[in-house]
Amino acid sequence: EDKVVQSPLSLVVHEGDTVTLNCSYEVTNFRSLLWYKQEKKAPTFLFMLTSSGIEKKSGRLSSILDKKELFSILNITATQTGDSAVYLCAGVQGAQKLVFGQGTRLTINP
Amino acid sequence: NAGVTQTPKFQVLKTGQSMTLQCAQDMNHNSMYWYRQDPGMGLRLIYYSASEGTTDKGEVPNGYNVSRLNKREFSLRLESAAPSQTSVYFCASRLGQGVDSNQPQHFGDGTRLSIL
Repeated sequence: EDKVVQSPLSLVVHEGDTVTLNCSYEVTNFRSLLWYKQEKKAPTFLFMLTSSGIEKKSGRLSSILDKKELFSILNITATQTGDSAVYLCAGVQGAQKLVFGQGTRLTINP
Repeated sequence: NAGVTQTPKFQVLKTGQSMTLQCAQDMNHNSMYWYRQDPGMGLRLIYYSASEGTTDKGEVPNGYNVSRLNKREFSLRLESAAPSQTSVYFCASRLGQGVDSNQPQHFGDGTRLSIL
């Protein structure tokens, strides 16, 4: 059965801390891995990772994929209260299907 | 730029009632998707449409039907609503169709549906 598991499920840190969110996957016909940020409404796209070992960066956020060990991490440095959200990881299966993890709820306290 | 628009935003139904959730995208995307999001379970794919005129079942299709009305619009219908269908429903779209078109899905703001 295809599955994506995220850890931790919930994380509370102080503003300025660095956090690492984890995503492990077992997805048949795996194509790529996606990270989304979900605040109150629509998940918004962060990263698409297709190749192992190549870090993608956007400001204070970065992510990397390990296709041998079947996991990905999302790092956020110098966290801000605006980073508080649920972070979703999804494996792309074949041409169309996304298999989502449960999400990690990140809370940044001032 | 509206992106993916879903209507309504909220709806309360009684068990047995029918309802159609609407989704439209203005990005000229080929593929469209319907998901449901339940606490602790992430998003699960209900149905998808790789292109105008085609639809396929996802992980949890039972109790739902879909229509790809044209390239812009993809609707989700509950024929006889059940309390187990209480959820937040998200529509998404993607430019590509096939395996080699590596673009992410873009989501609408969701419809919160409660079945009493």
